[in-house]
Amino acid sequence: DAGVIQSPRHEVTEMGQEVTLRCKPISGHDYLFWYRQTMMRGLELLIYFNNNVPIDDSGMPEDRFSAKMPNASFSTLKIQPSEPRDSAVYFCASSRDSIYNEQFFGPGTRLTVL
Amino acid sequence: DAKTTQPPSMDCAEGRAANLPCNHSTISGNEYVYWYRQIHSQGPQYIIHGLKNNETNEMASLIITEDRKSSTLILPHATLRDTAVYYCIVRSPNFGNEKLTFGTGTRLTIIP
Repeated sequence: DAGVIQSPRHEVTEMGQEVTLRCKPISGHDYLFWYRQTMMRGLELLIYFNNNVPIDDSGMPEDRFSAKMPNASFSTLKIQPSEPRDSAVYFCASSRDSIYNEQFFGPGTRLTVL
Repeated sequence: DAKTTQPPSMDCAEGRAANLPCNHSTISGNEYVYWYRQIHSQGPQYIIHGLKNNETNEMASLIITEDRKSSTLILPHATLRDTAVYYCIVRSPNFGNEKLTFGTGTRLTIIP
């Protein structure tokens, strides 16, 4: 398996623009997680899905952020409009089950908002 | 989920065993201890997890004290590639509680 795939790997955009980050989880994994990592706040969970259904979105910072999972093999995290404080590395992870919950992380998307 | 406390940084000589401690004094009976690591610029990587028995896999060993209030991750023969931030996380394996809360971790530096 190729592991968790994220695109793009790097994104530079200007304040106010819409940004869409993409993730393909490992096939057969029922859970998908979106994290954000910054120097100030560390690694924090934004939202996660089980069988394409959002379970916990309490980490989503505000209404500018939205996430979807239209099918088992694809998820998006959208920021509209983007702001400089959204600059961070965004990671997607997937896991097979709830009990052991071994999460496999993608390489991340480094987002810079100017 | 119980909180964890880890030293902010540690050094270890290459080839020696690296012992990373974690305190989780408020852990409850059904909570597991997980260890992840994050090598610079990469996504976190799962290492090992355990409930109360010691665990070993190809990467590391996990030693959990009898009262379960602390644990130690052991990398038996550390290499330069083991330089990373190591996170100790405690979580109860309940459906609907799949969230992992990453703290600040321990920055382990392997010295040549």
